[in-house]
Amino acid sequence: AQSVTQLDSHVSVSEGTPVLLRCNYSSSYSPSLFWYVQHPNKGLQLLLKYTSAATLVKGINGFEAEFKKSETSFHLTKPSAHMSDAAEYFCVVSDGLRGYQKVTFGIGTKLQVIP
Amino acid sequence: GAVVSQHPSRVICKSGTSVKIECRSLDFQATTMFWYRQFPKKSLMLMATSNEGSKATYEQGVEKDKFLINHASLTLSTLTVTSAHPEDSSFYICSARITGSTDTQYFGPGTRLTVL
Repeated sequence: AQSVTQLDSHVSVSEGTPVLLRCNYSSSYSPSLFWYVQHPNKGLQLLLKYTSAATLVKGINGFEAEFKKSETSFHLTKPSAHMSDAAEYFCVVSDGLRGYQKVTFGIGTKLQVIP
Repeated sequence: GAVVSQHPSRVICKSGTSVKIECRSLDFQATTMFWYRQFPKKSLMLMATSNEGSKATYEQGVEKDKFLINHASLTLSTLTVTSAHPEDSSFYICSARITGSTDTQYFGPGTRLTVL
């Protein structure tokens, strides 16, 4: 069984300050983990993904995430928030046997950036 | 690379009519495509997995006769909402997985369906 928990439904930060969006997961297999961003009325854009290589993953727009197996976490961070970062962020886990992978989305975290 | 398009981006229809939404992988082949539905302020709900040349696999609670899926080629999957009703109004998003890949899905921009 797999699950994803995004611990905060809303996060509010001031422009220029660090961003932390939390995600915990459970998986019966060695999972792949993703972060997607969705701007209002838009589709999803892949920010970054972890697939059993380096545990610290760098993505687009200055975001990065660290896979911590002992904590079953995959938190998303950015050193300095920009106004354009305001959006909804989804943590996603994918696991299962090859060809039968299941994908589960977290409920999303809405990031607000205050000028 | 790995671009997925959806058409139309927005559609408004009368109750009782059917609506077809197309999902295309523009620069890669996708043996598997996925259809999601997103409710306001909610996460994405997987509706079905579409495999080229075979019947789609529907998630529990999704009516296969209501949401018809056809994956006729390696670059095109269609979702038809039959006899649409206002409760079918939603944001429908497709994704495609590159043939041979096991994990990354590339998402389309979504289709906003409004049923009057």
